[in-house]
Amino acid sequence: RKEVEQDPGPFNVPEGATVAFNCTYSNSASQSFFWYRQDCRKEPKLLMSVYSSGNEDGRFTAQLNRASQYISLLIRDSKLSDSATYLCVVSSPTNTDKLIFGTGTRLQVFP
Amino acid sequence: EPEVTQTPSHQVTQMGQEVILRCVPISNHLYFYWYRQILGQKVEFLVSFYNNEISEKSEIFDDQFSVERPDGSNFTLKIRSTKLEDSAMYFCASSERLALYNEQFFGPGTRLTVL
Repeated sequence: RKEVEQDPGPFNVPEGATVAFNCTYSNSASQSFFWYRQDCRKEPKLLMSVYSSGNEDGRFTAQLNRASQYISLLIRDSKLSDSATYLCVVSSPTNTDKLIFGTGTRLQVFP
Repeated sequence: EPEVTQTPSHQVTQMGQEVILRCVPISNHLYFYWYRQILGQKVEFLVSFYNNEISEKSEIFDDQFSVERPDGSNFTLKIRSTKLEDSAMYFCASSERLALYNEQFFGPGTRLTVL
């Protein structure tokens, strides 16, 4: 089983749509969780950390389900500028500064 | 806003040659990392570095790889004898502290092409 698994997409959605991405991770001892965004041929950039209680930042909501080892990202009111690859990232259980990346889910928002 | 910088942006080399990729982390950061991303694949951890020594390395980071902080600002990745499969984007990252939810800031990357 992959350490971090995501649906690669692409998800093609119109502007204004709500879209949800899911991710599963294999090691139940993982302690910290993130969503990063990566534009084509650019570096990953932190979108948001994912806490056990869930968290929201504007149009973005992240949830963590430790029992199911499942992380989600919800984007409301999609903008053209949201088009990117969204990377689910989990820290190594033995070393929290070693990040383990999923392959990413590609989102394309169209007018 | 402070940022991580990397040079060169693109490096082309012949198989068997040595390359040095350079990074300038954010100035008050203490933890440094190298990751790589082969085209079309996921970002992979290579090595973490703190207090002038490697704190962890992955199985990819074999004897052909080394890291150094030669002065107070630069952080380098050296590949001694490049192979075709080393072709990838190499990202440097840095973070201020070690914590459960510390943010790692990534540089723009160096695209390494081995011919």
